[in-house]
Amino acid sequence: NAGVMQNPRHLVRRRGQEARLRCSPMKGHSHVYWYRQLPEEGLKFMVYLQKENIIDESGMPKERFSAEFPKEGPSILRIQQVVRGDSAAYFCASSPLTGNEQFFGPGTRLTVL
Amino acid sequence: GIQVEQSPPDLILQEGANSTLRCNFSDSVNNLQWFHQNPWGQLINLFYIPSGTKQNGRLSATTVATERYSLLYISSSQTTDSGVYFCAVVTSTSGTYKYIFGTGTRLKVLA
Repeated sequence: NAGVMQNPRHLVRRRGQEARLRCSPMKGHSHVYWYRQLPEEGLKFMVYLQKENIIDESGMPKERFSAEFPKEGPSILRIQQVVRGDSAAYFCASSPLTGNEQFFGPGTRLTVL
Repeated sequence: GIQVEQSPPDLILQEGANSTLRCNFSDSVNNLQWFHQNPWGQLINLFYIPSGTKQNGRLSATTVATERYSLLYISSSQTTDSGVYFCAVVTSTSGTYKYIFGTGTRLKVLA
């Protein structure tokens, strides 16, 4: 039973480019959460999605960031016009039901040059 | 919002030593989870523990929800225990559950 998959594991972008981060939840899990970890800090909640619905995006920056979880395929976290301050590790987690234990993927480390 | 504080922030141990990590939270929570982030950045689930005590090998955890704290015990530490230990509390707002992470305890175990 594969765990949460994220790709790419490392992503390098120049300022102004777009970054797309993908997350495939564990089999049987329909709830996906995205977190951001800045260097030397803990994880910060960004957004919570179920299939085709954004449930809570209270942790998402208001501009340039968006997330989706389509009926088919992985969840996508999209960052437009990246800036150096977007450099961080982005983790995805999934759970079978909201409130249940969350399982985390290996993360995508984004570096903006 | 709820505050999650972990102590100590940094800890250096000699291999074989025991340690206790603490997590305090400022309000009632639905659940609590302990994680180990290894030096490669991967997050490993250790315990999902809303209350009581659980043990897994050399690790054990106790949560006293009424007093708003949790403890993680590491016995006979090994160099592979090095990394950052996070606690995360689960809170509910309008039916949405989310994790609030503490700032972590950075552990280094010396051979």
